[in-house]
Amino acid sequence: QVQLVQSGAEVKKPGSSVRVSCKASGGTFSTYTFNWVRQAPGQGLEWMGRIIPVYDTTSYAQDFQGRVIFSADESTMTAYMELSRLRFEDTAVYYCASPNLLPSADDSFEIWGQGTFVTVSS
Amino acid sequence: DIVLTQSPGSLSLSPGDRATLSCRASQSVKSNYLAWYRQKPGQAPRLLISGASSRATGIPDRFSGSGSGSGTDFTLTISRLEPEDFAVYYCHQYGSSPTFGQGTKVEVK
Repeated sequence: QVQLVQSGAEVKKPGSSVRVSCKASGGTFSTYTFNWVRQAPGQGLEWMGRIIPVYDTTSYAQDFQGRVIFSADESTMTAYMELSRLRFEDTAVYYCASPNLLPSADDSFEIWGQGTFVTVSS
Repeated sequence: DIVLTQSPGSLSLSPGDRATLSCRASQSVKSNYLAWYRQKPGQAPRLLISGASSRATGIPDRFSGSGSGSGTDFTLTISRLEPEDFAVYYCHQYGSSPTFGQGTKVEVK
């Protein structure tokens, strides 16, 4: 069974950094594309960017350029999102999401992690 | 970036009713790469429809999606609302730099 399992909730101070992990199980790691999506409390979904490990490529949404880094470790089948210079408004649930692993699938987000709640508080 | 505008913002309906949700794009969505998700409180979104009209694995046929020929207007229809369908629905374009609509909440009347 293909699934993504994320790391636990974090509480961080403004100006610090947070790293969230997303561990894949089932399927071949090279077939995953890890998108990162966040959702502030009571708000909608916001795409932060993606990493495609097999091509070692990353794309970042403009709003996060320079403040977020995506990485992936094939040996542990884990992707990471590190967000720096945290602000109060970065308080949100952070999700990793991947398209279906079948070659015929398109890039819609069929597989989701359970979410990681990051609280930024002084 | 493509802006997606969903309407209405909320919908009050009863179980068994038909729900029609709209999503309008600020420019044409490439190859109809438009998806719909349902999100229940405290849960991750679940993919319902991809490619504007293809149901995802395990999604019942009471959910259907359609798009206009212009590539800017899309509709999600739920033919008969079940209790688990009272939730928030998001559209999502993934033809270019991905964006989401702001959501439509379907609530019990």
